[in-house]
Amino acid sequence: GEDVEQSLFLSVREGDSSVINCTYTDSSSTYLYWYKQEPGAGLQLLTYIFSNMDMKQDQRLTVLLNKKDKHLSLRIADTQTGDSAIYFCADTSGGSYIPTFGRGTSLIVHP
Amino acid sequence: DAGVTQSPTHLIKTRGQQVTLRCSPKSGHDTVSWYQQALGQGPQFIFQYYEEEERQRGNFPDRFSGHQFPNYSSELNVNALLLGDSALYLCASSSGLDRVDSGNTIYFGEGSWLTVV
Repeated sequence: GEDVEQSLFLSVREGDSSVINCTYTDSSSTYLYWYKQEPGAGLQLLTYIFSNMDMKQDQRLTVLLNKKDKHLSLRIADTQTGDSAIYFCADTSGGSYIPTFGRGTSLIVHP
Repeated sequence: DAGVTQSPTHLIKTRGQQVTLRCSPKSGHDTVSWYQQALGQGPQFIFQYYEEEERQRGNFPDRFSGHQFPNYSSELNVNALLLGDSALYLCASSSGLDRVDSGNTIYFGEGSWLTVV
């Protein structure tokens, strides 16, 4: 079955770059997503990448996809305290378009 | 443009009771999915509705049922509640299964927090 794994915690200093990593097992994944969840809130779609791309940039966010290694990363440049949240990686296997989520990475940004 | 809206935001139920949660999808979306997110976990897929029918289902018992209305809104019903059903229930909407070129972007509501005591 599908499996998405992420490290549980990441701590960075304000102004530094954050890199959140994710691995997935389903080689037929079509779309891969990054969502952000602030305390007590729902999931906010940050960005997504189609499986035929290897990079996508959107302002401070850069997504890198290594399809061979089934590795996805999210880089946040100039990390701010407002970026503190849980970040979820999700993939969708071919045909289903039902995202499978990892357990989330808790990003802590300290001054 | 209203996003995905869910109600109620919080509720407390007793074991054995039944609960109904409601969701209105983002404008222009016709597909609704429900997820359960237990504390400290990622969202787990319950089922998806499209054209008023259940299209796919995750690994959840029959106590979990749903419905989609002609206006695309949806309900999630859980019968015979267990303590383990306590979780955040998230509704997600998207624009249909076949629009690959749209990125099939999936938007979530703020969720309904269910506590079973």
